[in-house]
Amino acid sequence: SAVISQKPSRDICQRGTSLTIQCQVDSQVTMMFWYRQQPGQSLTLIATANQGSEATYESGFVIDKFPISRPNLTFSTLTVSNMSPEDSSIYLCSGSTGPFSGNTIYFGEGSWLTVV
Amino acid sequence: AQSVTQLDSHVSVSEGTPVLLRCNYSSSYSPSLFWYVQHPNKGLQLLLKYTSAATLVKGINGFEAEFKKSETSFHLTKPSAHMSDAAEYFCVVSDKGAGGGNKLTFGTGTQLKVEL
Repeated sequence: SAVISQKPSRDICQRGTSLTIQCQVDSQVTMMFWYRQQPGQSLTLIATANQGSEATYESGFVIDKFPISRPNLTFSTLTVSNMSPEDSSIYLCSGSTGPFSGNTIYFGEGSWLTVV
Repeated sequence: AQSVTQLDSHVSVSEGTPVLLRCNYSSSYSPSLFWYVQHPNKGLQLLLKYTSAATLVKGINGFEAEFKKSETSFHLTKPSAHMSDAAEYFCVVSDKGAGGGNKLTFGTGTQLKVEL
């Protein structure tokens, strides 16, 4: 299985600030994604991180709020901007070994953000 | 668009008895289906996946799932529950994301409780 590591694992943030989450994957991973899991909820895809270009966002998510970078194949960052308590969630980095629906997607352990 | 319905939000079993977690999917073509498990304060771990090969799929920790196209179901089973199986289980279908790669659509999750 692919190895995916994220940091920070947890943080408590002040309202109005921004926080950047880093994700490192191993070389098996070709595609990288960011998901959000709100308290007591299931996971929702935020965006696909594209190497060297702008991320592709799912409906309901915008670049100004969740800027994403992927400067190389194995590293990506997600920033949660101008945070409010509604942004308190687990943010998960994930990676796939290929673009097809049958390729397994692996997950990091998540970054647990609490906004106060 | 594809969707997943997990029919039970909570399932409680006694240790040593069978586990059945139910999942129905909606898809316009042959889907890839997954079961993931999330232990408390942990990331997501892949249990098993179906990708149009054998309809009975065996996974880790004694879990298996059967793909039934006629019933659009992908129920997860285990013959004998163990205390360590207590966790949240997600049924997932793979779709095309906005980024062109494989986007996972998650069910709402089933919380499995195992009692002595």
